[in-house]
Amino acid sequence: EVQLVESGGGLVQPGRSMKLSCAASGFTFNNYDMAWVCQAPKKGLEWVATISYDGSSTYYRDSVKGRFTISRDNAKSTLYLQMDSLRSEDTATYYCARLRYWYFDFWGPGTMVTVSS
Amino acid sequence: DIQMTQSPPSLSASLGETISIECLASEGIYSNLAWYQQKPGKSPQLLIYGASSLQDGVPSRFSGSGSGTQFSLKISSMQPEDEADYFCQQSYKFPYTFGAGTKLELK
Repeated sequence: EVQLVESGGGLVQPGRSMKLSCAASGFTFNNYDMAWVCQAPKKGLEWVATISYDGSSTYYRDSVKGRFTISRDNAKSTLYLQMDSLRSEDTATYYCARLRYWYFDFWGPGTMVTVSS
Repeated sequence: DIQMTQSPPSLSASLGETISIECLASEGIYSNLAWYQQKPGKSPQLLIYGASSLQDGVPSRFSGSGSGTQFSLKISSMQPEDEADYFCQQSYKFPYTFGAGTKLELK
């Protein structure tokens, strides 16, 4: 059974950093591109970043370019999102998602990030 | 960025009713469109990909159609478990973008 479990969320002050992790199991992790998608409270979904199956290529939405870094450790079947210079507008639930043919076919339960002083 | 405009924002349907949700892309995206269902407090689930392909395990009452800029999701015979938010998403080019969502309720 495919499982994705995010961790690392919580309350953080504006300007500080936070690193999210996503532990994957039930599939061959290094065969799939992976992504982070966020959802602000009571709002819609927003794609954040994608990383290729081997980590050689990464893509970001403009609002996080230069502040967020997506990475992966295929030996540990784990996806990461390093978030620096956090802003209040980054407050959201962050979902880890597996990509299949450019669609998000499995999602984790999400981890909440609150940026506030 | 490609804008995805979903309509209606909310919808109320009776048990067994057929409903349709529309999604309009601001530019042509061929068939690079997916539909997701999200229940309260849960993560989204993929229903349809490639505009019309049904994801494994999704009931056959769900169907998708369209190409280019106009797409629709149809639920034939509304069931109580279909109460949820529905989102469309384009994967034609980065940044991937989602529609604002349609809230479907049982009347």
